[in-house]
Amino acid sequence: GDSVTQMEGPVTLSEEAFLTINCTYTATGYPSLFWYVQYPGEGLQLLLKATKADDKGSNKGFEATYRKETTSFHLEKGSVQVSDSAVYFCALSDPYTGNQFYFGTGTSLTVIP
Amino acid sequence: DAGVTQSPTHLIKTRGQQVTLRCSPKSGHDTVSWYQQALGQGPQFIFQYYEEEERQRGNFPDRFSGHQFPNYSSELNVNALLLGDSALYLCASSLPGLAGDEQFFGPGTRLTVL
Repeated sequence: GDSVTQMEGPVTLSEEAFLTINCTYTATGYPSLFWYVQYPGEGLQLLLKATKADDKGSNKGFEATYRKETTSFHLEKGSVQVSDSAVYFCALSDPYTGNQFYFGTGTSLTVIP
Repeated sequence: DAGVTQSPTHLIKTRGQQVTLRCSPKSGHDTVSWYQQALGQGPQFIFQYYEEEERQRGNFPDRFSGHQFPNYSSELNVNALLLGDSALYLCASSLPGLAGDEQFFGPGTRLTVL
């Protein structure tokens, strides 16, 4: 079945450090891939998405590239800020399974000044 | 433009009781999905409603049931509550099943079962 595997946290970085959060997936069909972010006490917000192989999603300095050959969608940011502290979820939506969403377990990021 | 709203924010119940959670989708959306997010875990898909019918269901027992109303709002009902049902319940709305469409999430209802 479909699934998403995410790098385990928690991750603690100093401000302006480089961030990578690894995500790999297994899917029956040709999924769309997403990164969602959850700030404390809030629901999930879409950060970025990519709908086909080699697409790059980007938003607020974050980027992720849909790599079909490695079934990966790693999240990167060149210079993190304290305000980026949150939990990040990788997810997929597979039309083969009716576009049901599958989420990873989440990676907690704390950025210290 | 109101986003996805959920009520109540928090709920405390005891084992064996029944609970109903409510969700209003984002304006223009007619598809509602429900997720259970246990502490420290990612959301797990419960089911999805479209045109007032359950269209898909995840791996949850029949104690979990739902309903969608003509105005697209939705309810999640859980019967015979267990301690393990304690979680954040998230509602998400979307357009009906187009590839690549994102889901918009509400803030969730925190259910505690004692």
